[in-house]
Amino acid sequence: QQQVKQSPQSLIVQKGGISIINCAYENTAFDYFPWYQQFPGKGPALLIAIRPDVSEKKEGRFTISFNKSAKQFSLHIMDSQPGDSATYFCAANDDYKLSFGAGTTVTVRA
Amino acid sequence: DTGVSQDPRHKITKRGQNVTFRCDPISEHNRLYWYRQTLGQGPEFLTYFQNEAQLEKSRLLSDRFSAERPKGSFSTLEIQRTEQGDSAMYLCASSTVLYDEQFFGPGTRLTVL
Repeated sequence: QQQVKQSPQSLIVQKGGISIINCAYENTAFDYFPWYQQFPGKGPALLIAIRPDVSEKKEGRFTISFNKSAKQFSLHIMDSQPGDSATYFCAANDDYKLSFGAGTTVTVRA
Repeated sequence: DTGVSQDPRHKITKRGQNVTFRCDPISEHNRLYWYRQTLGQGPEFLTYFQNEAQLEKSRLLSDRFSAERPKGSFSTLEIQRTEQGDSAMYLCASSTVLYDEQFFGPGTRLTVL
């Protein structure tokens, strides 16, 4: 039973466009929400993270939006570049255990 | 500053054999985690240690799986009597006590024939 639901499964965006990935959760005990980027054959790399007392966090071209009442959060990748082509996972932390979404494969076309 | 390292990176074994993986966390990190990732899925939590103490184990961790972290440094994950369903990427992550950020290693890809 997946505790974090992620959508879409895949998306294609033009270079310079915006990629948007959405996640939803039910467990209100989750207290920390990171996003990871993973390239084929590599381990996940921490990209950006947010806590539920903050509604938005921006780092460079990456922004997390968090809606605590709706129990939803999303990742926006601005000015998408071919090097951003990867699989992105949202996750949620409860008592040191991360629960991951199923992942979104992002393809950026030049 | 070296990151989390894992060894071996790839392991091919026959069904029924035992395998052991090693993880070396970031040096000042006293929490260490094991996750399993199958193709097309996100990582799933298996177990975690704080220093040498194993504090939680997932129901995914059957009795064929055992993990240790002697002296609170590196950790090993052993799978006994491997099954084809054990084929996956085994990921190790580490963090400090103060912060929730978990940093992952490159993983060990296990293939059970």
